[in-house]
Amino acid sequence: NAGVTQTPKFRILKIGQSMTLQCTQDMNHNYMYWYRQDPGMGLKLIYYSVGAGITDKGEVPNGYNVSRSTTEDFPLRLELAAPSQTSVYFCASSYPRREDVSTDTQYFGPGTRLTVL
Amino acid sequence: EDKVVQSPLSLVVHEGDTVTLNCSYEVTNFRSLLWYKQEKKAPTFLFMLTSSGIEKKSGRLSSILDKKELFSILNITATQTGDSAIYLCAVKNAGGTSYGKLTFGQGTILTVHP
Repeated sequence: NAGVTQTPKFRILKIGQSMTLQCTQDMNHNYMYWYRQDPGMGLKLIYYSVGAGITDKGEVPNGYNVSRSTTEDFPLRLELAAPSQTSVYFCASSYPRREDVSTDTQYFGPGTRLTVL
Repeated sequence: EDKVVQSPLSLVVHEGDTVTLNCSYEVTNFRSLLWYKQEKKAPTFLFMLTSSGIEKKSGRLSSILDKKELFSILNITATQTGDSAIYLCAVKNAGGTSYGKLTFGQGTILTVHP
């Protein structure tokens, strides 16, 4: 299993450009998440999905959009990039089951480092 | 709103020292607390804690949860330079629309000098 994969690893955007960050998992997890991590900070949830066709906002959704057409893929779209979106973006997945607390663990991809100039 | 606060925010020690990292939390319906280690890339899972007073241990790392006082500590004994990383604490809410989501603290940056 490759686990959670993300592309690209690095990207530089100009203000106002748009791009899509790709995320794929091969663990058949129903939940997927997008986080951003600013320097010296923890992880802030942007959007998450509990299954194909279902998405919901996290703490910091403004300026982003997501879709979940398949179980495996959860792309994050940035429209009109701004310098405030300079960050490292992590995708994660999990398969939480209420009766088994050990399934609470989320598995992370390697991250995409995005700079907006 | 769930909240996780870690302290200290950063810590610099020398090899061989013992460190204690703190995580306090507020969550409406606690289910679990997780510790992650983050080196250059993605966070990797260390421990999950659900019950008070039961220590989880892995080599030189150990962690314990106090559900009454709403905190957890992560201890690292005989630190090595390879322990240098950001240590993240997160809590899982059992209830309603929060189910499946983790709330992360801001992390503790640990630097171990030779």
